[in-house]
Amino acid sequence: DVKVTQSSRYLVKRTGEKVFLECVQDMDHENMFWYRQDPGLGLRLIYFSYDVKMKEKGDIPEGYSVSREKKERFSLILESASTNQTSMYLCASSLGALGTEQYFGPGTRLTVT
Amino acid sequence: GDSVTQMEGPVTLSEEAFLTINCTYTATGYPSLFWYVQYPGEGLQLLLKATKADDKGSNKGFEATYRKETTSFHLEKGSVQVSDSAVYFCALSDLRGGGSEKLVFGKGTKLTVNP
Repeated sequence: DVKVTQSSRYLVKRTGEKVFLECVQDMDHENMFWYRQDPGLGLRLIYFSYDVKMKEKGDIPEGYSVSREKKERFSLILESASTNQTSMYLCASSLGALGTEQYFGPGTRLTVT
Repeated sequence: GDSVTQMEGPVTLSEEAFLTINCTYTATGYPSLFWYVQYPGEGLQLLLKATKADDKGSNKGFEATYRKETTSFHLEKGSVQVSDSAVYFCALSDLRGGGSEKLVFGKGTKLTVNP
């Protein structure tokens, strides 16, 4: 079974802190993704990566950056956390072949106070 | 750009009722279509998919048919159970990114099934 793990299920940070969310997949997938999920807005893509050290902006990249130094690990960084970044963050990975599905981690619920 | 529209929730049904969740899409080209399910406190997991027109995806009693002529991918189940209570997301593959395939999601429909 494909497994996507995220470093924390729940996280509470203060405004202005630098926040790291880690994601690891164990199936040698090419693509990795970070989404945020908010009530009434569904899932919105923040960043994705199709190869080591490669990254592409998604629909809402402002206030975020990412790092992919190894194929299995994709990190989301909030440079200076703000209260409007309080959300559920979901990581996903996929093989990269046409029509293949994405596999999701359990999510990190981040609260910025 | 590509988009997915699914029926607004929440949807509340009694056990053994028939379920339909409507999903329509706008896309250039021929995307793959997916239904994902999110159980309380969990991430999303794939429920079913279809990769070309007239394909029917099915899993756990759920079905959806890729209808190109109506640009739809409606989710159906003949008899729902309490354990089907979850949020359901319709999604399509976005091929605009060159070699990198992304998903575009609908906003989700929350289903509650009462005993």
